[in-house]
Amino acid sequence: DGGITQSPKYLFRKEGQNVTLSCEQNLNHDAMYWYRQDPGQGLRLIYYSQIVNDFQKGDIAEGYSVSREKKESFPLTVTSAQKNPTAFYLCASTIRGPTSAASSYNEQFFGPGTRLTVL
Amino acid sequence: EDKVVQSPLSLVVHEGDTVTLNCSYEVTNFRSLLWYKQEKKAPTFLFMLTSSGIEKKSGRLSSILDKKELSSILNITATQTGDSAIYLCAVINIDLQGAQKLVFGQGTRLTINP
Repeated sequence: DGGITQSPKYLFRKEGQNVTLSCEQNLNHDAMYWYRQDPGQGLRLIYYSQIVNDFQKGDIAEGYSVSREKKESFPLTVTSAQKNPTAFYLCASTIRGPTSAASSYNEQFFGPGTRLTVL
Repeated sequence: EDKVVQSPLSLVVHEGDTVTLNCSYEVTNFRSLLWYKQEKKAPTFLFMLTSSGIEKKSGRLSSILDKKELSSILNITATQTGDSAIYLCAVINIDLQGAQKLVFGQGTRLTINP
């Protein structure tokens, strides 16, 4: 089955600990994204990557780090510098194609999410 | 800074009612607007709208974009309990390297009571 998997589904962290959230896709997508969702808010972009070994900061990258060593994998580390990490984290992927046309949109496919709670 | 605002933030109606969800945007380089439905986990794609103003329809759901007003509405007629979800609006932003990014609104939590 093709798709995006995230693990774990639920994660508990003690204050001061780093934790890593996994995101894997077998859709042969080039681009991958990490979003954070808080209650009553939409999704906010943390980091994104268009190709292997390259990634860019999104709107709320502080306190997070990523790597993109393989096309299929885009793990997110929530560091102790992130002061309020309790949230729902969603990973997404899409093909990387021409985006110059206004009508062009490469649909982002989302994983099932990881709910992180700081104890 | 690109901004997407949805209203209302929360809406509770009875089964069979018709609802209208709103999304307004301020973006420097508008391409398209997207609607998603999020039930418990991952958002699922509903519609993509462009400045053409063409209405999109899928069953009881329809959506249109008003280029002048910089806004979009999502209509759901004859609502069912299965329509209960968070509805997310997003606009497409292209960065300097040509990468596609989405800017989301806060979402509207829709609850349909039987």
